[in-house]
Amino acid sequence: NAGVMQNPRHLVRRRGQEARLRCSPMKGHSHVYWYRQLPEEGLKFMVYLQKENIIDESGMPKERFSAEFPKEGPSILRIQQVVRGDSAAYFCASSPRESNYGYTFGSGTRLTVV
Amino acid sequence: AQSVTQPDIHITVSEGASLELRCNYSYGATPYLFWYVQSPGQGLQLLLKYFSGDTLVQGIKGFEAEFKRSQSSFNLRKPSVHWSDAAEYFCAVGAKLSFGAGTTVTVRA
Repeated sequence: NAGVMQNPRHLVRRRGQEARLRCSPMKGHSHVYWYRQLPEEGLKFMVYLQKENIIDESGMPKERFSAEFPKEGPSILRIQQVVRGDSAAYFCASSPRESNYGYTFGSGTRLTVV
Repeated sequence: AQSVTQPDIHITVSEGASLELRCNYSYGATPYLFWYVQSPGQGLQLLLKYFSGDTLVQGIKGFEAEFKRSQSSFNLRKPSVHWSDAAEYFCAVGAKLSFGAGTTVTVRA
């Protein structure tokens, strides 16, 4: 019974390129959450999605960042025209229902912008 | 607005000694409170959570936490730490998980 799968584990992008981070939730989980962890900081909420719907994107930067969770396939966090400040660990979590009984987190994608 | 403060950035403890990590929260209603642990290069693992009821919560790996409404605290404790407990610990509050900045625990032999 696989947990939350994130790939890639490490991603290096040059400034101005696009970064695509993928998250496959646990089997049976239809709610996905993305968090960003900057160096020496805790995790910050970015976005909450259900299948084909963005429920809460209050933590998403207004520009260059987007997220989707299609009917089929993984959730994608997309960062366009990356800058050095986007370098961080991005974590995905999933849950089986809207109420929070403790999310299951993936191992994260560590994005480095050079 | 909901927020969490973890006053201790780094704690060093001897193996076999007790450990207490502090967490203070700000929340408008009855809070959902969580403790997560993160080992280097890994994701977060849920140690325990509090929603309501008994204010002393038992978690995995021998950890427990006590909810004290009067002090707005949810401190994490372990009676006897093991070298494998060296990690970063995060307190979080609310349905969307507002995290504290974390406490790094180092265990010395």
